[in-house]
This record gives sequence, C-alpha cells and structure tokens, in this order.
Amino acid sequence: RKEVEQDPGPFNVPEGATVAFNCTYSNSASQSFFWYRQDCRKEPKLLMSVYSSGNEDGRFTAQLNRASQYISLLIRDSKLSDSATYLCVVTKNSGNTPLVFGKGTRLSVIA
Amino acid sequence: DAGVIQSPRHEVTEMGQEVTLRCKPISGHNSLFWYRQTMMRGLELLIYFNNNVPIDDSGMPEDRFSAKMPNASFSTLKIQPSEPRDSAVYFCASSLAGAIYFGEGSWLTVV
Repeated sequence: RKEVEQDPGPFNVPEGATVAFNCTYSNSASQSFFWYRQDCRKEPKLLMSVYSSGNEDGRFTAQLNRASQYISLLIRDSKLSDSATYLCVVTKNSGNTPLVFGKGTRLSVIA
Repeated sequence: DAGVIQSPRHEVTEMGQEVTLRCKPISGHNSLFWYRQTMMRGLELLIYFNNNVPIDDSGMPEDRFSAKMPNASFSTLKIQPSEPRDSAVYFCASSLAGAIYFGEGSWLTVV
C-alpha cells in the first residue's frame, strides 16, 4: 500500500461549486497532516494544516479521521483561481518530519 | 523575509557531467529537505538534515547522488555522473517545526 494515496483526478467543476478531495495514509503513527497546493510549474505551497478536530480557513475545510486513516479537503464556492493540484501530506513517522507527499489531485474550475 | 533560495533555476547538461544544485534555507529553520519531482513518481524525499546533520538519506537513488550541509545556511545536492533519467525538478525545503516551505526548484534536464 502506498504511504499516501489520492485520486489523481482531474476534477472539472464549474465556478461556485463545492468540491471535496480525499486522501488515505498507511502509517498509523503519522502525527501531522497538511494540504499543499501546487500550481503548474511552481513549487508546492502550504494551504493548511489538518487538525484532529477539523479546521476551516475561509472557503476551505479540512477533516482528519485517524481511525480510518483518512483526510479530506472541502472547497466551497470554487473560484477560477482555485485551479491547481492539491497535495495531501503526512509525516512519515511519529515525529514532525519528514513529510510524505501524495501525488496530488488536479482541480480545474471552469467559468 | 526571504524564502528558500535555490540555484540554478534551470540547468541543461550532457549525460556524464557533474551537476551541483544549491540551496539556502530560511534563516532560523533547523531542518532542510531535498525532494525530487517527476510526473511518474510525484514528490520523493531524497534526504533531510536536522541541525546540519543528515538524518535520513534512504531516498537517495544511488551512489551518484550526494548531499552536504556544511552550515546552517547552505546545502548542496550533487549528481555525478548525471544520466538522462535524473531529469526532474529538484526542490529544497526547510522547516522549523511541522510544515515545510519550498524553494522555487531547480529544473534539471540531462541530455
């Protein structure tokens, strides 16, 4: 089983839609979880951390289910500028580092 | 504040040549990471340092790859001799705790 698995997509959604991405991870000892965003030919950038209680940042909501080893990202009211690849990220072991990246889910928001 | 700085941004080299990639982490960060990204394999961790000491180099593909961190503000990743299959984007990233922050990457093409 891969360390971090994501549906590669692409997800093609109209502006204003709500879209959800899921991710599963294999190491039950992982302690920290993140979503990163990567634009074409750019470096990955931190979108948000994922906390056990779930957390929200504007239109973005992240959820963690430790029992199922599952992470999700919900984007509400999609904007054209949300088009990117979203990377699910977990720590490799029980420490804070290093981080293991999923291969990403590609999102295209269409006008 | 300056982010992670990498050089060169782009390099095209002939098979068999030595390639040296350079990285300056964010000041104050104590962990430094080298990742490689390709379409097929996604982002792969090559090696990471904590307080300038290599902690895990299990991701280094073979002996042709080596990395050093002589001080807290500088690291190199060297490939000697280079091969066409080394063509990829090489990202350096740094962190203090938790999330990591990437440089813009070094785009390497070996012909």
